[in-house]
Amino acid sequence: NAGVTQTPKFQVLKTGQSMTLQCAQDMNHNSMYWYRQDPGMGLRLIYYSASEGTTDKGEVPNGYNVSRLNKREFSLRLESAAPSQTSVYFCASSETGATGGYTFGSGTRLTVV
Amino acid sequence: ILNVEQSPQSLHVQEGDSTNFTCSFPSSNFYALHWYRWETAKSPEALFVMTLNGDEKKKGRISATLNTKEGYSYLYIKGSQPEDSATYLCVPDSGGGADGLTFGKGTHLIIQP
Repeated sequence: NAGVTQTPKFQVLKTGQSMTLQCAQDMNHNSMYWYRQDPGMGLRLIYYSASEGTTDKGEVPNGYNVSRLNKREFSLRLESAAPSQTSVYFCASSETGATGGYTFGSGTRLTVV
Repeated sequence: ILNVEQSPQSLHVQEGDSTNFTCSFPSSNFYALHWYRWETAKSPEALFVMTLNGDEKKKGRISATLNTKEGYSYLYIKGSQPEDSATYLCVPDSGGGADGLTFGKGTHLIIQP
């Protein structure tokens, strides 16, 4: 099993460009999440999807949109990238009740210049 | 969001020594407590999800205990090895984690050869 797969692993964008970060899980998990990690800070929740067909804002949603395409896939879109969005992005998933914890992808390192 | 305190923030341990650190969390509105290990340049990995007062879980040389009445959990590492160097995150869960967990900065453990 691949677990949670994120693409791309690295990306450099110019200010104002748009891009979509892809995330897919093969564990039949209901819930999926997008976090960002910045130096000196813990993981911050951007958006989450408690179940297929639903999405909700997390702690830092501004500048992002998400799509829960189906049960497997949860994408994160930056419509107009800004240098403040330079970060490492992690996708995660969990079963209902999270009794097994969250399973994280390997991360996407995004630099906006 | 449940407030959590982990101590110490940083810890240096000699290889072969055993160590432990503490997690304090509000005892009200408790559903579960997650422990994660996060190695540098990797993604967080779930160690334990604990739900019952008095619960003790073990994974190799790592174990954890839980006291939900007084709101604390201990993580123990027996015979530390260099590969144990990581940040250990304790994450309270108030409702099954489906609306996103709040991750703090954790305890940064460095094992010195």
